[in-house]
Amino acid sequence: DAEITQSPRHKITETGRQVTLACHQTWNHNNMFWYRQDLGHGLRLIHYSYGVQDTNKGEVSDGYSVSRSNTEDLPLTLESAASSQTSVYFCASRNRDGDTQYFGPGTRLTVL
Amino acid sequence: DQQVKQNSPSLSVQEGRISILNCDYTNSMFDYFLWYKKYPAEGPTFLISISSIKDKNEDGRFTVFLNKSAKHLSLHIVPSQPGDSAVYFCAASATGAGNMLTFGGGTRLMVKP
Repeated sequence: DAEITQSPRHKITETGRQVTLACHQTWNHNNMFWYRQDLGHGLRLIHYSYGVQDTNKGEVSDGYSVSRSNTEDLPLTLESAASSQTSVYFCASRNRDGDTQYFGPGTRLTVL
Repeated sequence: DQQVKQNSPSLSVQEGRISILNCDYTNSMFDYFLWYKKYPAEGPTFLISISSIKDKNEDGRFTVFLNKSAKHLSLHIVPSQPGDSAVYFCAASATGAGNMLTFGGGTRLMVKP
């Protein structure tokens, strides 16, 4: 079955370290998204991509970067982790504009 | 400044009764609204949606109502079941803005047996 996976599911890191969270989908969807979920804020969009080599900033992109070298993967990198980036991160994908977004299981990141 | 708000962080109802979850929005460009359901340690899953050309959409036990003049939507679950206990997120999008989703803060629903 097609799916969207995230790894790792849990990560503890230290302030200042570089961290990369993986997102992989097997639906061959063009659009992929990264969100963070924080209490009281719901899900906020970090970055998104409409296709290979395309990346765009979302609402809360500072301190994060993404790259899209193929259709299946959209890794999220925290260049220098900060305690304010402690959160639960969700990746999502959809086939095209207007379609439903499907979410991965999430990665809980703790920055000490 | 949150464009989509869910003012009740939590809601507790008895099994078999109606659950009503509310959502307000401020951006008049929003023309498509969705509800997602999230269980602990899982990603959100799509539940039901409504276009701004409608005022009601029904799917089994779940009905979403949209009041455009009040910029308000609600999700009704009838009858509520213990398995409905989850966090519910309201989301909105605008056709002219790439259909990006803007989420509310979520409401935790607890259905007691």
